[in-house]
Amino acid sequence: DTEVTQTPKHLVMGMTNKKSLKCEQHMGHRAMYWYKQKAKKPPELMFVYSYEKLSINESVPSRFSPECPNSSLLNLHLHALQPEDSALYLCASSYWTGRVGSPLHFGNGTRLTVT
Amino acid sequence: KQEVTQIPAALSVPEGENLVLNCSFTDSAIYNLQWFRQDPGKGLTSLLLIQSSQREQTSGRLNASLDKSSGRSTLYIAASQPGDSATYLCAVNSQGGSEKLVFGKGTKLTVNP
Repeated sequence: DTEVTQTPKHLVMGMTNKKSLKCEQHMGHRAMYWYKQKAKKPPELMFVYSYEKLSINESVPSRFSPECPNSSLLNLHLHALQPEDSALYLCASSYWTGRVGSPLHFGNGTRLTVT
Repeated sequence: KQEVTQIPAALSVPEGENLVLNCSFTDSAIYNLQWFRQDPGKGLTSLLLIQSSQREQTSGRLNASLDKSSGRSTLYIAASQPGDSATYLCAVNSQGGSEKLVFGKGTKLTVNP
């Protein structure tokens, strides 16, 4: 069982919809991440939060809006998505970021389909 | 720009074999390297993390080595089992500016009973 919980597991949305993906961890980790993974490809980093502050935005389009309400929760707000945004969205957490790395713990992802 | 390559892309072995997965990276200036496994439709599971100052890490039947100067890491799996079937990904945390992992494309392992 994963210690990072993502909801929903599956999401189908139209291009005009607004939806949110949610991620929760209770391991006391201070860094949280959003990754996007297309079929048969490695994960691509989207955002990193460190101590609840956005530290990395990998030039992600503004139709994706991250939010970190507290150290245990991470949201990804979706608006006006395109069909090519369909992918597996993975949340991850780690004790910290930086030179002395700590292992990333991933959730099982949200399978998003944009119609 | 850091690039990570994993060879082979796919590997099929009979149960019980010992096997080695390879990972190479172009820029040897890294903080650490992680090995993950991913089962179909699931998230990634961290297997081993090697800091740049370390040579190897072991967990159960898994052993990962790191040769930073040559830009290589190997994941050794002893006495493989059908449950080891998954895609194995290598990722490096590079000193090149941002604290992000650069992933290889993975090796898809099938262990046949």
